Amino acid sequence: QVQLVQSGAEVKKPGASVKVSCKASGYTFTSYDINWVRQATGQGLEWMGWMNPNSGNTGYAQKFQGRVTMTRNTSISTAYMELSSLRSEDTAVYYCARGGGTHRGMDVWGQGTTVTVSS
Amino acid sequence: SYELTQPLSVSVALGQTARITCGGNNIGSKNVHWYQQKPGQAPVLVIYRDSNRPSGIPERFSGSNSGNTATLTISRAQAGDEADYYCQVWDSSNWVFGGGTKLTVL
Repeated sequence: QVQLVQSGAEVKKPGASVKVSCKASGYTFTSYDINWVRQATGQGLEWMGWMNPNSGNTGYAQKFQGRVTMTRNTSISTAYMELSSLRSEDTAVYYCARGGGTHRGMDVWGQGTTVTVSS
Repeated sequence: SYELTQPLSVSVALGQTARITCGGNNIGSKNVHWYQQKPGQAPVLVIYRDSNRPSGIPERFSGSNSGNTATLTISRAQAGDEADYYCQVWDSSNWVFGGGTKLTVL
């Protein structure tokens, strides 16, 4: 079945970086965008950016420009999201989600990765 | 930047019809997607492109979009529909989410 499986929970200190992985299976990895969305406890969904696994092209929300990097390894159908200069406000659950284009939304989501930033 | 406005909460009696709105400037010209999120779980796409249901989503879920308001309608509400619901659009090369609506089934 189509699924996205994310890496495990992370605890980081302020100023550090975190890299979350998202492994795709059940479909052709390079045929769909991968989006990253985060959610702080008790808060709504916040889109961070997208990546085209075929070309490697990316688009980032302005809020995260300069701090986020999205990459992929097509040989193992895995997408990565790295967030740097972490601060406490980055504590959240991070999701990857398959994008079917602007007319189809995000139809498959990973299980989420909890990132905790604490000194 | 584009903003989507949702009510914080909506209540519906068991078996009745719930309507969750999503307001945005000329949102009728955009494709609106809706997600359901239950506590501790990832979001699930329940409506895409205004009114289309992905496979596996019950026919009780429907959507419409016109003017400045998109609406998610849940007919014959069940206890299992209790969740947070988010609308979403693509605008100026960004995905935008509404703030979310907590649906309570009484």
